[in-house]
Amino acid sequence: QAGLTQPPSVSKGLRQTATLTCTGNSNNVGNEGAVWLQQNQGHPPKLLSYRNNKRPSGISERFSASRSGNTASLTISGLQPEDEADYYCSAWDSSLSGWVFGGGTKLTVL
Amino acid sequence: EVQLVESGGGVVQPGGSLRLSCTASGSGFKFSETWMHWVRQVPGEGLVWVSRIDKAGSGTSYADSAKGRFTISRDSAKNTLYLQMNSLRVEDTAVYYCTAVDGYWGQGTLVTVSS
Repeated sequence: QAGLTQPPSVSKGLRQTATLTCTGNSNNVGNEGAVWLQQNQGHPPKLLSYRNNKRPSGISERFSASRSGNTASLTISGLQPEDEADYYCSAWDSSLSGWVFGGGTKLTVL
Repeated sequence: EVQLVESGGGVVQPGGSLRLSCTASGSGFKFSETWMHWVRQVPGEGLVWVSRIDKAGSGTSYADSAKGRFTISRDSAKNTLYLQMNSLRVEDTAVYYCTAVDGYWGQGTLVTVSS
């Protein structure tokens, strides 16, 4: 069962903007969009955005999600040291009747 | 505050069985109205969806790696999700999360399959 495609790593400077991408197909990302999750070492994932690109309560406005076709994106503006983490995208796959995940992107804030 | 608390993990020999549980608590989360999932993660690796169950508990699906060996179920009266894992393999070793995926996540429970 193929997953979603994310770049393994992204590095950006403090206060810069990082855009993370996530590519799937018409059965998953292109169908209902993707969610984005942040995971810090030793902790469970935390939801950053819903499939409709809206943020859960308590998530900073610096995190913005979007989608174009089969590719979802997460833009993090004004990067802070605490943003350094692993970021995963996930989408409901209608052919699998389950969620597929990307391999994760490790974000480094320089 | 909503909490999903997993339990039942541990060390088991190949071919053995374990039953994971996940109990939901707290206001703002309607367990009985939420499709629930198990997602696993080998330490240091990515997230992998394992199984899902619908609100009524009548519809389930599994990743290929879990088909025929794992069974997901729920008891909405107890706000509890289960994963019965049989014929365990070394490659099933992972942290298992109870989650709605597009919502709350538990802290995870570690399953280690080793002789």
